[in-house]
Amino acid sequence: ETGVTQTPRHLVMGMTNKKSLKCEQHLGHNAMYWYKQSAKKPLELMFVYSLEERVENNSVPSRFSPECPNSSHLFLHLHTLQPEDSALYLCASSQDLLAGGGETQYFGPGTRLLVL
Amino acid sequence: TQLLEQSPQFLSIQEGENLTVYCNSSSVFSSLQWYRQEPGEGPVLLVTVVTGGEVKKLKRLTFQFGDARKDSSLHITAAQPGDTGLYLCAGAGVSTSYGKLTFGQGTILTVHP
Repeated sequence: ETGVTQTPRHLVMGMTNKKSLKCEQHLGHNAMYWYKQSAKKPLELMFVYSLEERVENNSVPSRFSPECPNSSHLFLHLHTLQPEDSALYLCASSQDLLAGGGETQYFGPGTRLLVL
Repeated sequence: TQLLEQSPQFLSIQEGENLTVYCNSSSVFSSLQWYRQEPGEGPVLLVTVVTGGEVKKLKRLTFQFGDARKDSSLHITAAQPGDTGLYLCAGAGVSTSYGKLTFGQGTILTVHP
């Protein structure tokens, strides 16, 4: 399989549940990202990892916990979420950290999350 | 905080018509990217513009980066139903060390046969 894959594609969870989103990239990239996409709002960058080290936590609530065990895998652990956290969560990767020169980011298909 | 204002938010046109989507900011960007996102999929990069005043063409799509690198436009000629989707612009800041992208809120384009 090529590109960026995400599982599950759809997830429904209660506010007391604990779940994890998984992202895998088969491109040999060094940087990986989590974004949140809500209706009528711009994509929000949540976390950035470079060579398995977190380089950015964009003021994300602690109920979202990322994990990057290796350069190919990225997880987003979810616990005690709120209904307003319902959104499409997108994973992306790039060869290296974007340096303002237009490095290409490759996005996965996203996980559609609904918090009840 | 850098913001990108995209307009219009919604565009519904007939096949064969031309259209333009705008992306504006008060901030300068070192580069600007345009993505298209289809339902159930992640955004796919269409083009990156880097130089002020740059014009890039991708078949029926023409992208322009403003001279001051604060704005960009996407023009589609003779739109087709296959062009339907969410179009996103995203800018990389000049002072960004790790290249954080600022996204516009998107333009939902529907092209009717």
